[in-house]
Amino acid sequence: AQSVSQHNHHVILSEAASLELGCNYSYGGTVNLFWYVQYPGQHLQLLLKYFSGDPLVKGIKGFEAEFIKSKFSFNLRKPSVQWSDTAEYFCAVIARWLDNAGNMLTFGGGTRLMVKP
Amino acid sequence: DGGITQSPKYLFRKEGQNVTLSCEQNLNHDAMYWYRQDPGQGLRLIYYSQIVNDFQKGDIAEGYSVSREKKESFPLTVTSAQKNPTAFYLCASSTLTGARTGELFFGEGSRLTVL
Repeated sequence: AQSVSQHNHHVILSEAASLELGCNYSYGGTVNLFWYVQYPGQHLQLLLKYFSGDPLVKGIKGFEAEFIKSKFSFNLRKPSVQWSDTAEYFCAVIARWLDNAGNMLTFGGGTRLMVKP
Repeated sequence: DGGITQSPKYLFRKEGQNVTLSCEQNLNHDAMYWYRQDPGQGLRLIYYSQIVNDFQKGDIAEGYSVSREKKESFPLTVTSAQKNPTAFYLCASSTLTGARTGELFFGEGSRLTVL
């Protein structure tokens, strides 16, 4: 079974600081990768996703993530955070088999980001 | 607007009582899911359903039950057998393609507190 690790549970940054949130997964095959974000009081929403192609993917609100297959990683980055980026961020992985029946999206433990104004 | 509606948003329950959380979607999605969110543990899958009148256990199904009598509805019952029911519960849905690719849409969640 696949598992997903997010190394930082809590991150506190000042506005304009750069952000990198780590995500590693354990599955040797082909995967689809996601970052979801949950802003305070709002529903979980998709930030960005990687299925194939360019391993550097760009999402909404200036976020990007890089898939490094050799490291089983999919780290989330943003060059300059804003107070409005305060939220909880979840990495998620699903294995891509020929027959995906019964295979489910697996989430990491989440990282709470607080951006100080 | 199309989306997923969960109710109630907040719910308090006494120990020993069953409680049912509602989830309705008007996205015409075939697949629906229930996740439990606990601090530091991310989201864990309780049950999922890919077709009406059929559902499968997820990783932490013990103490929970579901039904899928209509395509748009997937209620979750937290029974008294669930040893630690206080949590945030998220409902999600997807197309069948989305179920394979991992693209889910989420509701706003229901927070259950057992007193």
